[in-house]
Amino acid sequence: DTAVSQTPKYLVTQMGNDKSIKCEQNLGHDTMYWYKQDSKKFLKIMFSYNNKELIINETVPNRFSPKSPDKAHLNLHINSLELGDSAVYFCASSHRTGDGYTFGSGTRLTVV
Amino acid sequence: KNEVEQSPQNLTAQEGEFITINCSYSVGISALHWLQQHPGGGIVSLFMLSSGKKKHGRLIATINIQEKHSSLHITASHPRDSAVYICAVSSTGNQFYFGTGTSLTVIP
Repeated sequence: DTAVSQTPKYLVTQMGNDKSIKCEQNLGHDTMYWYKQDSKKFLKIMFSYNNKELIINETVPNRFSPKSPDKAHLNLHINSLELGDSAVYFCASSHRTGDGYTFGSGTRLTVV
Repeated sequence: KNEVEQSPQNLTAQEGEFITINCSYSVGISALHWLQQHPGGGIVSLFMLSSGKKKHGRLIATINIQEKHSSLHITASHPRDSAVYICAVSSTGNQFYFGTGTSLTVIP
């Protein structure tokens, strides 16, 4: 069983569309994260949730909205997609202390 | 200037060599992480450190809190170690910062 699973793995969509990326972890971790890796391979944290509560919310456009229905899921909704949103998005989870950090395999988003 | 600086940016080594990757940071931290990103894109967490030293197989990570510096060492390097190694810190202000990564190529 995959510990942190993201879907879809690839997403190609037109500008202006609204899309969602799903993330689920079966590790019993308390904390989940979303990261963006740009074309220069630089990683940046976007959001962090602990037990369904938002604890890190970096400066990202409000077109990006995380949704955590329970502590095993953290989905990322993106409205009005722009070309600059094209990137690889990684979900991750960890214990509250940061131990056991595990990444999903990434979702490559291409906005055309 | 990034809160987390890594060196070198690129590193090529012969199989069997001892490798060191350095990470310096400028913020107060609660933990430092070393990550490995394979050519296929997957990311693996190698270590989480808040003090001292950790060892896992041929990998050793050290941290000096006073000097705000960490090193990742690979002993007896192997071509399968070829990857990008990323240093990241969880700051005491609940922020998360990444280095730009060190691209390692180990030649047989």
